[in-house]
Amino acid sequence: QQPVQSPQAVILREGEDAVINCSSSKALYSVHWYRQKHGEAPVFLMILLKGGEQKGHEKISASFNEKKQQSSLYLTASQLSYSGTYFCGTSKTGPGNQFYFGTGTSLTVIP
Amino acid sequence: DTAVSQTPKYLVTQMGNDKSIKCEQNLGHDTMYWYKQDSKKFLKIMFSYNNKELIINETVPNRFSPKSPDKAHLNLHINSLELGDSAVYFCASSPRRSSGVLQETQYFGPGTRLLVL
Repeated sequence: QQPVQSPQAVILREGEDAVINCSSSKALYSVHWYRQKHGEAPVFLMILLKGGEQKGHEKISASFNEKKQQSSLYLTASQLSYSGTYFCGTSKTGPGNQFYFGTGTSLTVIP
Repeated sequence: DTAVSQTPKYLVTQMGNDKSIKCEQNLGHDTMYWYKQDSKKFLKIMFSYNNKELIINETVPNRFSPKSPDKAHLNLHINSLELGDSAVYFCASSPRRSSGVLQETQYFGPGTRLLVL
């Protein structure tokens, strides 16, 4: 039920790009992306609800594939402030509606 | 004017004790949540509470109980604390839950770092 993220960790130099993937064996109702800096609370980035949807701005954007089983987060021209752990999250319909965070991706941007 | 606040920020206690963590949101949101983040940073939902409807994650021991005196507060009571309860506990809120699933942004509190000795 918990989405699987890849990679588990990535180290970038400032200005480099990164892609974080979030996958599920079943279709997801929605995908949420959050970033958590060390010692802080998760902070919302964006939500995708529709298959084929793309959202965000030129620096940080995300996509949701047509089958709604995979989402990717794109970080372009990374900055030091992008460092943190990125989580995708998804809802499950039916009895006992729950929200599941993914396994997390640690991203470190170095000068 | 913190949106979601939690107290205490740090909690160190002995095994077997009973403790509470308080959460308040001033956003006017309808739904509140409790999450547990373990040492490996896995975030797991424990409870969600919406208009007096409580949804419990089946993996949560019944030593944990949420209590909501009103829409702006959702406190977490933990009885007979165990070593494995050591973690960071986050409270969160969202405007509403539509069609039974979460479509809204969640706003997180700063977290309570619980250490059970």
